[in-house]
Amino acid sequence: QSALTQPRSVSGSPGQAVTISCTGTNNDVGDYNYVSWYQQHPGKAPKVMIHDVSERPSGVPDRFSGSKSGNTASLTISGLQAEDEADYYCCSYAGSYTWVFGGGTKLTVL
Amino acid sequence: QVQLQESGPRLVKSSETLSLTCTVSGGSLSTYYWSWIRQPPGKGLEWVGYIYYSGSTSYNPSLKSRVSISVDTSKNQFSLKLNSVTAADTAVYYCARQQRHLTPLFDYWGPGTLVTVSS
Repeated sequence: QSALTQPRSVSGSPGQAVTISCTGTNNDVGDYNYVSWYQQHPGKAPKVMIHDVSERPSGVPDRFSGSKSGNTASLTISGLQAEDEADYYCCSYAGSYTWVFGGGTKLTVL
Repeated sequence: QVQLQESGPRLVKSSETLSLTCTVSGGSLSTYYWSWIRQPPGKGLEWVGYIYYSGSTSYNPSLKSRVSISVDTSKNQFSLKLNSVTAADTAVYYCARQQRHLTPLFDYWGPGTLVTVSS
């Protein structure tokens, strides 16, 4: 069970859109529609932004959207705002009642 | 509003056992899954394991030989034990509620507690 692969960092200017990828294998991301995305600000606990690939919990702005193609899931943040600057982690079901996180991506709002 | 709070020793000696408890308030343990997730300083998140309120468990394969999670529904608590710790087990340990079984929807989290393994 290896960590899912995410870019170490992405950046964008306010108002722009950015996409963070999360690449797994046929044993996790590719085999199940059970992918979530978490936002983590420094010193804080993670917060779920997307679950089940593309579902947004109540209270999460619709600027956040998720998708999946094959073994790669993606989180897109449109209309970037300063408060979106944070670390983002994907997480996928990996079978046999286990879950695996991605290595994390640092989003910088320029 | 559901709240989770981790408690336990912040410093553990190498080769000994790390023990943490998560106290849940504002809601019952029933019908949910309760997980431990850790994060080494400056690194990413790692799922450690979960327990269902009835007592069934699942663990990260890489930690399975050393980890144990238990539940005490009378106290609304669940606990983590990690044996034979090394410096690699130094991390912020979070407890979290998993809303559904298969999807990784961790909707409530504790603030996290940093546990340092010393030699």
